[in-house]
Amino acid sequence: AQKVTQAQTEISVVEKEDVTLDCVYETRDTTYYLFWYKQPPSGELVFLIRRNSFDEQNEISGRYSWNFQKSTSSFNFTITASQVVDSAVYFCARRSGGGADGLTFGKGTHLIIQP
Amino acid sequence: GAVVSQHPSWVICKSGTSVKIECRSLDFQATTMFWYRQFPKQSLMLMATSNEGSKATYEQGVEKDKFLINHASLTLSTLTVTSAHPEDSSFYICSAQKTSGIYEQYFGPGTRLTVT
Repeated sequence: AQKVTQAQTEISVVEKEDVTLDCVYETRDTTYYLFWYKQPPSGELVFLIRRNSFDEQNEISGRYSWNFQKSTSSFNFTITASQVVDSAVYFCARRSGGGADGLTFGKGTHLIIQP
Repeated sequence: GAVVSQHPSWVICKSGTSVKIECRSLDFQATTMFWYRQFPKQSLMLMATSNEGSKATYEQGVEKDKFLINHASLTLSTLTVTSAHPEDSSFYICSAQKTSGIYEQYFGPGTRLTVT
């Protein structure tokens, strides 16, 4: 199986601090997609970003930014100036480029933002 | 666009009974849908791939006779947990895949199953 590893089980920071969530993936595919999802206590997954394997440009969306590095098979997620509402479990995931595969998720990182 | 619904949102059933969960793509057609299971404080694990008009493909370790999947139309897949036991209590999430482009997948809101 092509794994996704989120080594950080839980991170706790004080509001307004920056925080980076790590994600390392395995892949044998030339074409693949990487994702980040947020899962609040309600359980519903909130899509944050999708990246394809041919696009290594970093992306910024408001306080969120993503760093994709194929050389280290990493796709890290940074929240700048964290807020209490950012508290949730965050999942990194991958899937192959073809249309037949479901997503493989990492174990998730529980992010706690303390006021 | 690209909304996926699940019904019910939560269900409590008695041990030994069966329960059906529906996954619908509301504004697009999906020849392929996926079913995931998430135990408390754990990650999502793919259970099976549901293809319209054909048999589902199950991941290793998932009992196909226990988790019956039917994908009878391009907008509906159902997961039936047969003879449910307390260990089947979990959060079941489906995703529906668009049939063109990069095959984007959209997740439903999930169904929380509790077996007593």
